[in-house]
Amino acid sequence: EDQVTQSPEALRLQEGESSSLNCSYTVSGLRGLFWYRQDPGKGPEFLFTLYSAGEEKEKERLKATLTKKESFLHITAPKPEDSATYLCAVQTFTNAGKSTFGDGTTLTVKP
Amino acid sequence: GAVVSQHPSRVICKSGTSVKIECRSLDFQATTMFWYRQFPKQSLMLMATSNEGSKATYEQGVEKDKFLINHASLTLSTLTVTSAHPEDSSFYICSARPMSRATEAFFGQGTRLTVV
Repeated sequence: EDQVTQSPEALRLQEGESSSLNCSYTVSGLRGLFWYRQDPGKGPEFLFTLYSAGEEKEKERLKATLTKKESFLHITAPKPEDSATYLCAVQTFTNAGKSTFGDGTTLTVKP
Repeated sequence: GAVVSQHPSRVICKSGTSVKIECRSLDFQATTMFWYRQFPKQSLMLMATSNEGSKATYEQGVEKDKFLINHASLTLSTLTVTSAHPEDSSFYICSARPMSRATEAFFGQGTRLTVV
């Protein structure tokens, strides 16, 4: 069974304090790993797709990396507006294009 | 690009009535749409996958007669919660996969359903 585990569950940072969020996965045949941002009461907003180990994607203060067992979402010099829940999801070649989501990391950035 | 509109954003209904939620892809065509349910402080649980022109595929434990899904066009899927009860109160979210994308799907804003 595909499993996605995100850590930490919650992360509180001061503005400008860089950190990383972790997404560990156990799947049979990774097709893609996705990062989303979700604000309270809203649907998830797509951030990145990573397909193979060693791949990296960047967008503003966010950088996502992928290994064979986990992905990291690095946040550099975060701002209060980066506060949100960050979700990780995986697709495999055997699950008909469906995504399995982790429970998310809730990030709070204090000014 | 890749905008998905979900309507309504909030709905309150009486127990025993039915509620329809619409999910539209505004600037792309989607052969596949997904419906999720999310409880407070929990992650997204896939309810069903719908493909245009065919019957939806429901996840184990999801009652297909209670959660009716119709995907009649390449830009519209609907979820109807029939004979709603308070335990159906939740946040329902749809996502749509563009025909041009093999893996990415884009989410609507979600619908907060409250059954009283």
